[in-house]
Amino acid sequence: AQTVTQSQPEMSVQEAETVTLSCTYDTSESDYYLFWYKQPPSRQMILVIRQEAYKQQNATENRFSVNFQKAAKSFSLKISDSQLGDAAMYFCAYRGDSEYSSASKIIFGSGTRLSIRP
Amino acid sequence: AAGVIQSPRHLIKEKRETATLKCYPIPRHDTVYWYQQGPGQDPQFLISFYEKMQSDKGSIPDRFSAQQFSDYHSELNMSSLELGDSALYFCASSLGDSRLLNTEAFFGQGTRLTVV
Repeated sequence: AQTVTQSQPEMSVQEAETVTLSCTYDTSESDYYLFWYKQPPSRQMILVIRQEAYKQQNATENRFSVNFQKAAKSFSLKISDSQLGDAAMYFCAYRGDSEYSSASKIIFGSGTRLSIRP
Repeated sequence: AAGVIQSPRHLIKEKRETATLKCYPIPRHDTVYWYQQGPGQDPQFLISFYEKMQSDKGSIPDRFSAQQFSDYHSELNMSSLELGDSALYFCASSLGDSRLLNTEAFFGQGTRLTVV
């Protein structure tokens, strides 16, 4: 079974600085997708960034980028120039891509609560 | 752009009552997922449907059932409600065909169920 582990329950960063959230996962599949979701106090689940496992290039979305290390099964999120609006719970998530598993479920890590110090 | 619509947004029920949560996926999405998120918890997968058939099942209690209808909307039926069922219930939709590139799931705003 696939698992997703986030070892940092809470993180804090000064506004405008850079912070990295860690995530590791375990899977026997060769093809899969990895995601970072943001859940602000409104509890809306918002997709931040997505990485396809077959792509070697790390995904980037404006101030958000990932460090995807497939061999190490590591998928960290870097937030540059942190803003007050970035404060939220961040979930790392995994979705398999087996040809036999259409509509594979998304498996979430336990989350990292990020606070931004003004 | 249309998003995933969940109704109701808030629901208060008494113990042993029943509840029905509805989810309307993004147009053309054929896959629906249900998740339960307790206070301070990560979302736990309950059940999913692909093309109106159950595709996967997670930690869904026997008291719960769900289905996906011909228009792809889904309903989660919860009976004999317990205090521990109080949670935020998310629905997400996606394109289930793994050959397609855009396979991320888009989440609704959730239904907050409170059992008293």
